[in-house]
Amino acid sequence: DIVMTQSPVSLPVTPGEPASISCRSSQSLLHGDGYNFLDWYLQKPGQSPQLLIYLGSNRASGVPDRFNGSGSGTDFTLKISRVEPEDVGVYYCMQPLQTPFTFGPGTKVEIK
Amino acid sequence: QVQLQESGPGLVKPSQTLSLTCTVSGDSISSGSYYWSWIRQPAGKALEWIGRIYASGSSNYNPSLGRRVSISVDTSKSQFSLNLSSVTAADTAVYYCARGRFPGVPRYYYYMDVWGKGTTVTVSS
Repeated sequence: DIVMTQSPVSLPVTPGEPASISCRSSQSLLHGDGYNFLDWYLQKPGQSPQLLIYLGSNRASGVPDRFNGSGSGTDFTLKISRVEPEDVGVYYCMQPLQTPFTFGPGTKVEIK
Repeated sequence: QVQLQESGPGLVKPSQTLSLTCTVSGDSISSGSYYWSWIRQPAGKALEWIGRIYASGSSNYNPSLGRRVSISVDTSKSQFSLNLSSVTAADTAVYYCARGRFPGVPRYYYYMDVWGKGTTVTVSS
């Protein structure tokens, strides 16, 4: 199985300030077509996960442009340019390259 | 607007079979652009992918669940179902169903864009 790791585990942030989450995979997620099979999900408190970023850097429909995904191969980053209070929750990276699909352990973003 | 709704018993006894159904509304479960999946989350823990099924019936499962897991689809009812046999307390979790959507490129890539609200299943005698 592809193992996904994330850091930090917890991320206290001040509204209006930037935030960054790292995700690493045990194998390259770069597909032969040149795309990175890496998605980001946000699980807000008490809710089901919602898709934020797909293929490493594409924002899902309705996702604000303060969210940006980057990276390639085994190292990926999710950046929030200016954190809003509604951005709190747990962020998960996930690889849909190879079954079983696997999620990272999550990064909890909370407001200071 | 497509919606997914999980249903099933909230309490299952150890060694019995957990059976959940996900009802799809607002879109066709038979579309070749989708797969239908199950994901679970023990309290306070991370998400675990259980498996997926296409409308054709083709499926993939998480090997960590061994032969205990099966997913089926009933296109006439616009439903897909999860069966997990020989459950133990370790199977206690919130179970989500989700739709995987093929965006067109690249080949073989789907993202999970619609999720149900989740249903809590407790395994206890």
